[in-house]
Amino acid sequence: DQQVKQNSPSLSVQEGRISILNCDYTNSMFDYFLWYKKYPAEGPTFLISISSIKDKNEDGRFTVFLNKSAKHLSLHIVPSQPGDSAVYFCAATYNFNKFYFGSGTKLNVKP
Amino acid sequence: DAGVTQSPTHLIKTRGQHVTLRCSPISGHKSVSWYQQVLGQGPQFIFQYYEKEERGRGNFPDRFSARQFPNYSSELNVNALLLGDSALYLCASSFVTEEQFFGPGTRLTVL
Repeated sequence: DQQVKQNSPSLSVQEGRISILNCDYTNSMFDYFLWYKKYPAEGPTFLISISSIKDKNEDGRFTVFLNKSAKHLSLHIVPSQPGDSAVYFCAATYNFNKFYFGSGTKLNVKP
Repeated sequence: DAGVTQSPTHLIKTRGQHVTLRCSPISGHKSVSWYQQVLGQGPQFIFQYYEKEERGRGNFPDRFSARQFPNYSSELNVNALLLGDSALYLCASSFVTEEQFFGPGTRLTVL
């Protein structure tokens, strides 16, 4: 039962351009959404989050957009840098008791 | 500051055996969560403990159990190992909020 889906396994972007990573969810009870970044041989690192009462949250080069009616969120990285190359996971939770992760999108930022 | 630590780093077991994985959270963090990550997929939630009480449980069989100690460290136990239990097991800690800090994981191989 995949409640959080990332349908793009990989994304390749030129340095300096925008990276857009997408995520869809099925459970309308989710009240908090998070993005994590993972490098090989390391655990995921928290990147940015958004509450279900908001539709946008920005932190430096990273912005997360939430469209509740479409049950869709996206992560925008502007400008993209080679160091951003990693696997990105979106996650969702309700009451912070259980967290559901997508399968990840591997981002490659080309110099 | 020390991050989340997990031991052992790697483990090889045979089918039917039992395994114990250990996690030490960041100092001051009272919540610990366990995840299983199979190759090519996102982390799957197993358990969350807060103040030594189980707060959440994912869709895993009773062969999986966990506990949290007074110092907030945690153990994940898996009995009667199956080949399908081979995965990276991640531990994450948090103070109270949604931001979880992940350890590097324990790679379990079941032969």
